Amino acid sequence: GQQLNQSPQSMFIQEGEDVSMNCTSSSIFNTWLWYKQDPGEGPVLLIALYKAGELTSNGRLTAQFGITRKDSFLNISASIPSDVGIYFCAGQLHYGGATNKLIFGTGTLLAVQP
Amino acid sequence: GAVVSQHPSRVICKSGTSVKIECRSLDFQATTMFWYRQFPKQSLMLMATSNEGSKATYEQGVEKDKFLINHASLTLSTLTVASAHPEDSSFYICSADPLAGKDNEQFFGPGTRLTVL
Repeated sequence: GQQLNQSPQSMFIQEGEDVSMNCTSSSIFNTWLWYKQDPGEGPVLLIALYKAGELTSNGRLTAQFGITRKDSFLNISASIPSDVGIYFCAGQLHYGGATNKLIFGTGTLLAVQP
Repeated sequence: GAVVSQHPSRVICKSGTSVKIECRSLDFQATTMFWYRQFPKQSLMLMATSNEGSKATYEQGVEKDKFLINHASLTLSTLTVASAHPEDSSFYICSADPLAGKDNEQFFGPGTRLTVL
C-alpha cells in the first residue's frame, strides 16, 4: 500500500534538545496529521493541520502544512524522556462525502537520553 | 471523550483457528471504522474501511474472505481472521470516525496483538 516518506528514520538525542522530523509525499493531501505511538499501543493524535501553509502548536510541539500540500514537518522543543516513542505523519484526502482514508508515513523512532 | 476500545488486547492461537477482534466506540457513534495492520517496526497499513450497515471496502491485496468485517451497529465493528496462520501474526488496530466530529477525525483503539503458533 501507499506510504509517505518520513525522515529521519530514527533519532537519538539528549534531554533538552530540539527535534525536527518531516514527511513528504508525491501526492497532494488536504489534511496532515501527526501521531505518537508508544510500544504496544495505538497511535495518539498530536496535531492536525487543515490548510496549506498552516503552522500549529500544541505545547512544545509545532507542525506545519507545506505550501505545496505534499509535505509537513513536526518540531519538538526541549525534549523530555517521555517524548520517547514512534512518531507518524499521516495524510488524508477528502473525496467530497466519501470516506476519508489516512495514509501513514514510515515513522520516526525518537529516543531521548536523560 | 472519544474513547475506542479493542478486545481482546492480546490473543495467542493455534494455526487454523479463527480469531475475532472487537472494536468499540465507547462514548460516541461512528458510521465508519477502519482496520489497520502493523508488523514489527513498520507503519500502520490500512486493511479495510468498515461502514455501518453495509459491506466493508478492502484495500488492494487484502483478502476479504480471510479478514471478515462486520459493522452491525454504530458503536461496534468486528474483524475475524479466518483460519489464521503464522504469517497473520501482527498488531491489529482499529479507528473510528465520529458521526458528530470534525470531518477528518479518527480515534484509534489500543490495538490487539495476534500471535498464531
